[in-house]
Amino acid sequence: IQLTQSPSSLSASVGDRVTITCRASQGISNNLAWYQQKPGKAPKVLIYAASTLKSGVPSRFSGSGSGTDFTLTISSLQPEDFATYYCQQQVQNNLPTFGPGTKVDIK
Amino acid sequence: EVQLVESGGGLVKPGGSLRLSCAASGFTFSTYTMIWVRQAPGKGLEWVSSISSSSTFIYSADSLKGRFTISRDNAKNSLFLEMNSLRADDTAVYYCAREIYYGYSYFDYWGQGTLVTVSS
Repeated sequence: IQLTQSPSSLSASVGDRVTITCRASQGISNNLAWYQQKPGKAPKVLIYAASTLKSGVPSRFSGSGSGTDFTLTISSLQPEDFATYYCQQQVQNNLPTFGPGTKVDIK
Repeated sequence: EVQLVESGGGLVKPGGSLRLSCAASGFTFSTYTMIWVRQAPGKGLEWVSSISSSSTFIYSADSLKGRFTISRDNAKNSLFLEMNSLRADDTAVYYCAREIYYGYSYFDYWGQGTLVTVSS
């Protein structure tokens, strides 16, 4: 199962609403997670099961979607949110794959 | 506190071998599937291999063509990745991570990564 993300990069300002899209090559129900990675650091999970916010993650992050189309939304971008975001799937009996990433930087 | 600490990375010549380790603490290691993920310089995340809690199920990326072998020692709370016939395109930071699976799957704790550089 292949994952694509759009856009591959975006420039935004603090306070902006940001939406990142992830599309799967076949239906994956809600088996999708989102990660944030900052330079030199390990990825950190933000959302799992497409829309469940990981404990401790700010509520400005949200996820939605099912089947093949998913979105990660940051309702009001904060300075610490500038990072690269990856989606990841693992449907039962399939191997995990990551999307190519979306880099969010400062406008 | 859950901790994953990788070690064993370094500089190796093409065709060489390396064994990575991941020391786990702060959770019952023997009950979790563990994985390795790598990230080439400036590139995205690539799943490498997974091993179930009791080593019953082992999966690896087809692209590795059998060169890498994942294993674990539950008595020592340790995960390993044996890498053989290394190539320049294996140069990457290698992360170990813990898998959570409840019908959906995600990786909730990651190590800091260990850098493997394959170069002559």
